Amino acid sequence: EAQVTQNPRYLITVTGKKLTVTCSQNMNHEYMSWYRQDPGLGLRQIYYSMNVEVTDKGDVPEGYKVSRKEKRNFPLILESPSPNQTSLYFCASSSLGRGTEAFFGQGTRLTVV
Amino acid sequence: KQEVTQIPAALSVPEGENLVLNCSFTDSAIYNLQWFRQDPGKGLTSLLLIQSSQREQTSGRLNASLDKSSGRSTLYIAASQPGDSATYLCAVNAGGGNKLTFGTGTQLKVEL
Repeated sequence: EAQVTQNPRYLITVTGKKLTVTCSQNMNHEYMSWYRQDPGLGLRQIYYSMNVEVTDKGDVPEGYKVSRKEKRNFPLILESPSPNQTSLYFCASSSLGRGTEAFFGQGTRLTVV
Repeated sequence: KQEVTQIPAALSVPEGENLVLNCSFTDSAIYNLQWFRQDPGKGLTSLLLIQSSQREQTSGRLNASLDKSSGRSTLYIAASQPGDSATYLCAVNAGGGNKLTFGTGTQLKVEL
């Protein structure tokens, strides 16, 4: 089954404790991205990657890092989480090119206290 | 900068009604528009994808239309059911790679 898998689904952590949210897709997609969803603001793109070792900032990259060492994986790293990073996070993947369909993971609800 | 607006923000209808959800976008130079469904505690499920060259797409009781020149899309749900209760999001792909710009959604409740 074609899917995007995120882990963990729920995470509560303390300010400053480094964490990683994993994302994996099995569709051989070149393009992967991370979004955060906040009430009243919708989904906003954090980082994206157009292929292995190619990453770039989205609209709200501050406080986040990503890496793309393998085509299927695109982890999101919070080196020093802060309470304003409490949010619902989604990983997405798609083939490169105009008009391709995006597939989303189940989401990770992160709470930073 | 592309902006996407969805109206209404919330909608409550009795079971069996036909309904229309609206999505508008400011820049008509889009590659495609995608409608998603989001259930509480779950991810985004893609419902329909309309390419910029298309006028509409249908899947079961769902029909999505696209009018690029006016910057509008509608999602029509026929014979609504309680299981249709969810938040519906529209998103446009307007270049910059495959980046999607999302609206803030319409929260739909279908009551018995």
